[in-house]
Amino acid sequence: AQKVTQAQTEISVVEKEDVTLDCVYETRDTTYYLFWYKQPPSGELVFLIRRNSFDEQNEISGRYSWNFQKSTSSFNFTITASQVVDSAVYFCALSESDSGTYKYIFGTGTRLKVLA
Amino acid sequence: NAGVTQTPKFRVLKTGQSMTLLCAQDMNHEYMYWYRQDPGMGLRLIHYSVGEGTTAKGEVPDGYNVSRLKKQNFLLGLESAAPSQTSVYFCASGQGGHNEQFFGPGTRLTVL
Repeated sequence: AQKVTQAQTEISVVEKEDVTLDCVYETRDTTYYLFWYKQPPSGELVFLIRRNSFDEQNEISGRYSWNFQKSTSSFNFTITASQVVDSAVYFCALSESDSGTYKYIFGTGTRLKVLA
Repeated sequence: NAGVTQTPKFRVLKTGQSMTLLCAQDMNHEYMYWYRQDPGMGLRLIHYSVGEGTTAKGEVPDGYNVSRLKKQNFLLGLESAAPSQTSVYFCASGQGGHNEQFFGPGTRLTVL
């Protein structure tokens, strides 16, 4: 069965430190998509990135970068030079299809606290 | 555009009471979803809809009912609330498939 594991429940860093949030997934499909969402203290989840299983290129967007490695079934998220505004819960998610039905599985989230 | 909105934002119920949560989206999305978020468990799918007039069960559907009479609205009902349904409920919409979902601000429900 598909599964998404975010082993880090909570991480605390000091502002300007780099931090990596881990995401490990399990799936039997060859075609699947991976996502990261941010849930700030206001509560609303915000989409950050989507990658498909055929594109293993790393992606960088400003201070955010994502490392997708199929060999280890991981899709890790790194924030460079963290800021207090990065404090949030971050969710990794997996989307795959099962007999024409698309299933979306979220990890349990990692709470990131960035201290000033 | 308002995106995805949810009504109400907070609610306290007594065991056995009923209520309906309303979700509305103005992005013309076909797919809509209801999730619940509990500490340490991430988001779990309750019910979803792939279009107006359709609904389907998710991972944790027991104790909930839904309706999608209009494309822009997705209602979640609790017929007889139980303390185990104390949670934060999120509605989301999207284009379906492997596309991203857009979330509402959530409804915090407490059942005493």
